[in-house]
Amino acid sequence: GDSVTQMEGPVTLSEEAFLTINCTYTATGYPSLFWYVQYPGEGLQLLLKATKADDKGSNKGFEATYRKETTSFHLEKGSVQVSDSAVYFCALSDRGNNNDMRFGAGTRLTVKP
Amino acid sequence: KAGVTQTPRYLIKTRGQQVTLSCSPISGHRSVSWYQQTPGQGLQFLFEYFSETQRNKGNFPGRFSGRQFSNSRSEMNVSTLELGDSALYLCASSTGLEFSPEQFFGPGTRLTVL
Repeated sequence: GDSVTQMEGPVTLSEEAFLTINCTYTATGYPSLFWYVQYPGEGLQLLLKATKADDKGSNKGFEATYRKETTSFHLEKGSVQVSDSAVYFCALSDRGNNNDMRFGAGTRLTVKP
Repeated sequence: KAGVTQTPRYLIKTRGQQVTLSCSPISGHRSVSWYQQTPGQGLQFLFEYFSETQRNKGNFPGRFSGRQFSNSRSEMNVSTLELGDSALYLCASSTGLEFSPEQFFGPGTRLTVL
């Protein structure tokens, strides 16, 4: 079945460092890909999305490109801030299966000043 | 546009009791999905309701059940609570349409079973 694998954390960076969180997926249909972020004590917030190959999703300085050839959707940010500290989830939604949503295990990011 | 709301935000129950959680989706959304989040198991899918019908189901025992009303509001029920049911229960709403798959999450209900 469909699945998402993302790099294990935790990840600790200094402020203004470059961030990459790797995400790869397995899907039989035509998935849409997402990154969600969860701040302490809150639900998940949609950070960005891409619905087809080569699409680039971007929001708040974060970017991810849908790479069908490598089945990847890595999250990047050029300069992280302390306020980016959160747990990040990669997810896919399979349009061929009623938009069944699958999530990765989550990666905890801590940014130190 | 109001977001997804979940009530109550916190619950404390004892083993053997049952509990009902409520979720109100974004206006116009017809799909509601429920997830259980724990430190050990991460985010696990419980079930999805679309237009009052269960459309997808995860691998949870029958003690976990749900329903959706004609106004798209959804409830989730857990009977005969176990200590392992302690978790954050998240509800997510979406249009339910094929080309609009993104889900929007509520703040969650924190359930503690003693």
